[in-house]
Amino acid sequence: GEDVEQSLFLSVREGDSSVINCTYTDSSSTYLYWYKQEPGAGLQLLTYIFSNMDMKQDQRLTVLLNKKDKHLSLRIADTQTGDSAIYFCAERAGSARQLTFGSGTQLTVLP
Amino acid sequence: NAGVTQTPKFQVLKTGQSMTLQCAQDMNHEYMSWYRQDPGMGLRLIHYSVGAGITDQGEVPNGYNVSRSTTEDFPLRLLSAAPSQTSVYFCASSRGGAGSSSPLHFGNGTRLTVT
Repeated sequence: GEDVEQSLFLSVREGDSSVINCTYTDSSSTYLYWYKQEPGAGLQLLTYIFSNMDMKQDQRLTVLLNKKDKHLSLRIADTQTGDSAIYFCAERAGSARQLTFGSGTQLTVLP
Repeated sequence: NAGVTQTPKFQVLKTGQSMTLQCAQDMNHEYMSWYRQDPGMGLRLIHYSVGAGITDQGEVPNGYNVSRSTTEDFPLRLLSAAPSQTSVYFCASSRGGAGSSSPLHFGNGTRLTVT
């Protein structure tokens, strides 16, 4: 079955760039997503990328997809304390409706 | 526009009790799903529905039932609660067919403790 893996923790200094990495196993993935979860809240969609794209940029967010290595990353430029949250990578395989989520990366931004 | 609404926000049950977690969406989404979130394990799919009258099992369905009598509502029933069901439960919905980019819209979760 599908498997999505992320490291559990990342700490950065305010103003630095953050890079959150994700690997997945399903080669039929069509869409890959990044969600953000703040304490006590549900998940909010940050951005997504279609599998035939290599990169997508949206303001401070840059998503890179290496389909050959099944590796997805999310770069946050000029990281702020408000970016502290759990970030989830998720993939949608083929014609499936459901998403498979990684375990989430807790990003801590230090002042 | 409320989006996805879950009730209650918190619940404490004793082992063996039953209860229903409510989920409603006002976006006319075809697809609805329930996930549980446990530390270090991310979100795991419990049950999902692709439309009214249609439900299917996800990765961890045991101990849970669902029904989808209307497009708007997708309740999750715990028939006989167990401590292993202590978790945070999220309902999510999306529109569009398979292969579309439609992202999941999440509720704010129900935090359940079973003692």
